[in-house]
Amino acid sequence: GAVVSQHPSWVICKSGTSVKIECRSLDFQATTMFWYRQFPKQSLMLMATSNEGSKATYEQGVEKDKFLINHASLTLSTLTVTSAHPEDSSFYICSATRQGLLEIQPQHFGDGTRLSIL
Amino acid sequence: GQNIDQPTEMTATEGAIVQINCTYQTSGFNGLFWYQQHAGEAPTFLSYNVLDGLEEKGRFSSFLSRSKGYSYLLLKELQMKDSASYLCAVINSNYQLIWGAGTKLIIKP
Repeated sequence: GAVVSQHPSWVICKSGTSVKIECRSLDFQATTMFWYRQFPKQSLMLMATSNEGSKATYEQGVEKDKFLINHASLTLSTLTVTSAHPEDSSFYICSATRQGLLEIQPQHFGDGTRLSIL
Repeated sequence: GQNIDQPTEMTATEGAIVQINCTYQTSGFNGLFWYQQHAGEAPTFLSYNVLDGLEEKGRFSSFLSRSKGYSYLLLKELQMKDSASYLCAVINSNYQLIWGAGTKLIIKP
């Protein structure tokens, strides 16, 4: 159980393009989804936290107008990188968690999206 | 501030045992996670500790001492496929997940 699907796995596109990444929880309802970015040989960096039906909470330094997050349902969150530039090239990973009533649940990760902007 | 410390890199031999330590200073504590991350892949969940003591799951065990702000991940009977980064993460009192930088484990034959 606790499968998270992320699509696409790879994106290569020209500078100025907007890119949409989907994150789905396949076998559970995710009360909260998280978006991370990871540069090579560096640790995970949390970009934003989103709860279904409400606006995402962005970490300091992350531009909310550039990284648009939509969490329209309990099984789907999307991250859109608007007008992407080469410096946005990175490994983007989503995770999802279902909040238990009595206990904390782990985050389960999608397989990640490798974004390369030319 | 809040921080989590883990060794940057460790090397061990196939078939041996290795212990990866993690110390933390966070604003409150609601549990500690260990994740495994192979190069170029997303992290996968290994264990969760919220009470003191040892949790065993097959070849992997995780220990927690809340009074010392300390945890370790113990890997037994090491296999080449265990070569990966191991991430320690703590949930603080605000239910934020604070990530360590990870320990890169290199397994040699």
